[in-house]
Amino acid sequence: ELKVEQNPLFLSMQEGKNYTIYCNYSTTSDRLYWYRQDPGKSLESLFVLLSNGAVKQEGRLMASLDTKARLSTLHITAAVHDLSATYFCAVDSGSPDKLIFGTGTRLQVFP
Amino acid sequence: SAVISQKPSRDICQRGTSLTIQCQVDSQVTMMFWYRQQPGQSLTLIATANQGSEATYESGFVIDKFPISRPNLTFSTLTVSNMSPEDSSIYLCTIQAANYGYTFGSGTRLTVV
Repeated sequence: ELKVEQNPLFLSMQEGKNYTIYCNYSTTSDRLYWYRQDPGKSLESLFVLLSNGAVKQEGRLMASLDTKARLSTLHITAAVHDLSATYFCAVDSGSPDKLIFGTGTRLQVFP
Repeated sequence: SAVISQKPSRDICQRGTSLTIQCQVDSQVTMMFWYRQQPGQSLTLIATANQGSEATYESGFVIDKFPISRPNLTFSTLTVSNMSPEDSSIYLCTIQAANYGYTFGSGTRLTVV
């Protein structure tokens, strides 16, 4: 059974600082997703990583995937308050296709 | 990319009653998924709904409690039956979009009193 773990669960960081959220998963997969969720809202897709070594960047966020280590990272550069939200990684192991979500990381950025 | 219309957006229901949530997609999709997000928790897959076949339920979810319909390639419903306060959650429908992406509906926030 596919399990997806994220850490940390909660992250409080100062504006301007850098930090990384980690996503580990238990079975082979080369499809990993990152989502953002604001309170009371649905999920917003951030990144879709579809191969080993994939790296994608959007603004202050950069995501990478290492399928051999079964690890994805979401790196935050020079955090700003607008990044405060909950971030989820999710893995699709295929056969059949379905998304299994990590525990989520609640990010709070303060001045 | 495909757009999902989910309704209702929120509801407050009495325990023992049932609520049906609808998801309409603006294009044909093979697979639709239903998730539950309990307060402060992550998302848990309830079931996968393919048109023309019975939904496939994940461990811990049963058809009697969460019956699903998938009458065509653009529409699905999830019913939460005989509700209790523990069913208070956000329910989301999802589709597999192009290039292996997944698109989420806007969610239904259910409160059972």
